[in-house]
Amino acid sequence: DAKTTQPPSMDCAEGRAANLPCNHSTISGNEYVYWYRQIHSQGPQYIIHGLKNNETNEMASLIITEDRKSSTLILPHATLRDTAVYYCIVRVAPNQGGKLIFGQGTELSVKP
Amino acid sequence: GAVVSQHPSRVICKSGTSVKIECRSLDFQATTMFWYRQFPKKSLMLMATSNEGSKATYEQGVEKDKFLINHASLTLSTLTVTSAHPEDSSFYICSAAGTGGSAFFGQGTRLTVV
Repeated sequence: DAKTTQPPSMDCAEGRAANLPCNHSTISGNEYVYWYRQIHSQGPQYIIHGLKNNETNEMASLIITEDRKSSTLILPHATLRDTAVYYCIVRVAPNQGGKLIFGQGTELSVKP
Repeated sequence: GAVVSQHPSRVICKSGTSVKIECRSLDFQATTMFWYRQFPKKSLMLMATSNEGSKATYEQGVEKDKFLINHASLTLSTLTVTSAHPEDSSFYICSAAGTGGSAFFGQGTRLTVV
């Protein structure tokens, strides 16, 4: 079973920041937080991941709370192409047997 | 991100035949590969995990004789759906992870069994 909880859907205005929350209150010390997104009928796309520290890349920022029980994915300037289902996943590294188990995700709709 | 190529993207086959789906990591060595199945408007369901040179580990409820997985090299894994039936019609997706940990996904294969 997925170890994360996400709202089923969210709306965001184009050009504004999209903040997608994720609850992972049972996360273990060696588990990472990963974010992926899936645009209709395509394979999921890797966005970002982190362990304890906040992370930023060209796509998004990941803010992890100090207790690591929740995190927020931030798309700083959402575009219509960011409309997708966003998945938050916690897992250990593959060489430790980590699997990617998908929950239901958040369906983000970016509106003009 | 790294590139994972999945082939074919779409396949239609007759009931009772077998279908092979290939998953290749093009620019990194995939020590672990994952195979998923996805039904319309549903999330991805993990079917099995394979490590290069080892037998795949199947999730509960997935028939290993039905869904044959081979991970013979660090860049290639295959999923063969044997004796396919209409209920096997689905979207199949592979994912590959290297030693760095991040996993990257193929484009998916839409299988239709008629």
